[in-house]
Amino acid sequence: AQKITQTQPGMFVQEKEAVTLDCTYDTSDPSYGLFWYKQPSSGEMIFLIYQGSYDQQNATEGRYSLNFQKARKSANLVISASQLGDSAMYFCAMRQGYSSASKIIFGSGTRLSIRP
Amino acid sequence: DSGVTQTPKHLITATGQRVTLRCSPRSGDLSVYWYQQSLDQGLQFLIQYYNGEERAKGNILERFSAQQFPDLHSELNLSSLELGDSALYFCASSPQVGGGEGYTFGSGTRLTVV
Repeated sequence: AQKITQTQPGMFVQEKEAVTLDCTYDTSDPSYGLFWYKQPSSGEMIFLIYQGSYDQQNATEGRYSLNFQKARKSANLVISASQLGDSAMYFCAMRQGYSSASKIIFGSGTRLSIRP
Repeated sequence: DSGVTQTPKHLITATGQRVTLRCSPRSGDLSVYWYQQSLDQGLQFLIQYYNGEERAKGNILERFSAQQFPDLHSELNLSSLELGDSALYFCASSPQVGGGEGYTFGSGTRLTVV
């Protein structure tokens, strides 16, 4: 069965520092995709970054990068130079396989708070 | 605007009642997914439709049902509502099953059962 684990319920980080949000996953399917979403207090779900299981390079999108360690089954999100607007809930998610029955499952989330 | 439209944005109803949540996917997207997010919880997958057909089912209660219409919009029906059904219900869509660009979420329907 597939599973996503986020072990940090909450984190406080000083503005302009880098922050790493942890995510581990479990799946028996060699084909899968990993996602990170941001949910600010307004409630919407914002897609941040995607990593495919066969991608050789770590994904990057602006200040976001995904530290993909396949053997350890981890997909940590790194936010460089954090900003006050980064304060939000962050969810790691996984899609198992590429079949028509694929769905995304989510971890329990990490609440990130940026201190000025 | 993400392109995924959910209505209504807020809904307050009494226990025992039935409600219908509506979702219009992004133009061109064939897959629609429904998720439930209870207070301070993660998102629980409920059900997926692809081009009108049910493709995957998660922890969806028997009191809940959904369908996707020929124009690809989807409705989630919640009946015999209980206090514990109060949650934020999200709809998401994707252009192809297994797309890597991320699933686009609507802004959600906040359901309050009193």
